[in-house]
Amino acid sequence: AQSVTQLGSHVSVSEGALVLLRCNYSSSVPPYLFWYVQYPNQGLQLLLKYTTGATLVKGINGFEAEFKKSETSFHLTKPSAHMSDAAEYFCAVRFSSNTGKLIFGQGTTLQVKP
Amino acid sequence: GAVVSQHPSWVICKSGTSVKIECRSLDFQATTMFWYRQFPKQSLMLMATSNEGSKATYEQGVEKDKFLINHASLTLSTLTVTSAHPEDSSFYICSAPDRSNYEQYFGPGTRLTVT
Repeated sequence: AQSVTQLGSHVSVSEGALVLLRCNYSSSVPPYLFWYVQYPNQGLQLLLKYTTGATLVKGINGFEAEFKKSETSFHLTKPSAHMSDAAEYFCAVRFSSNTGKLIFGQGTTLQVKP
Repeated sequence: GAVVSQHPSWVICKSGTSVKIECRSLDFQATTMFWYRQFPKQSLMLMATSNEGSKATYEQGVEKDKFLINHASLTLSTLTVTSAHPEDSSFYICSAPDRSNYEQYFGPGTRLTVT
């Protein structure tokens, strides 16, 4: 079965520290991978995506993620956390066509401490 | 980027009444739209896939007679929660995929509270 797993429902970092949010997927076919951010009572905003090509993907707000096929992972990183990064982060995978539905991970709450 | 709107942004209704939520793609056509619900501190759960001009496809466990979906045009899908109960209180989010760039654009969500 196709699935997405985010390791760690809650991650806490100090301002200026490295942010690492983990995402693993299971699939028998090449997936399209996405990271979204959600602020309270708002919809989802796309941070970055991987479809094909370069496995290191850069997104908005200084975030990047690397697709590692051998590890079936797509971890999200940011070198230096900012207070405004505190939010809920979702990894999502689309397995079928470009209009296929997204399967979301459980989400990770990022807390940034001053 | 493309914009998806939802209306209303929040609604309070009494138990037993029906509520309609609209999802519009503002600057692109969407033959498919997706409806999700999100409970507090939880992830998004796909409820159904809305298909323009045809019946919606519901995920397992979602009551299609309770959550009526209509996709009458290429820019509008509606979700009607019929005979709402307090347990239907949730955050409902729609999304529409853009075929040209593999992205899905999400609406801002609708907070439904059933009293």
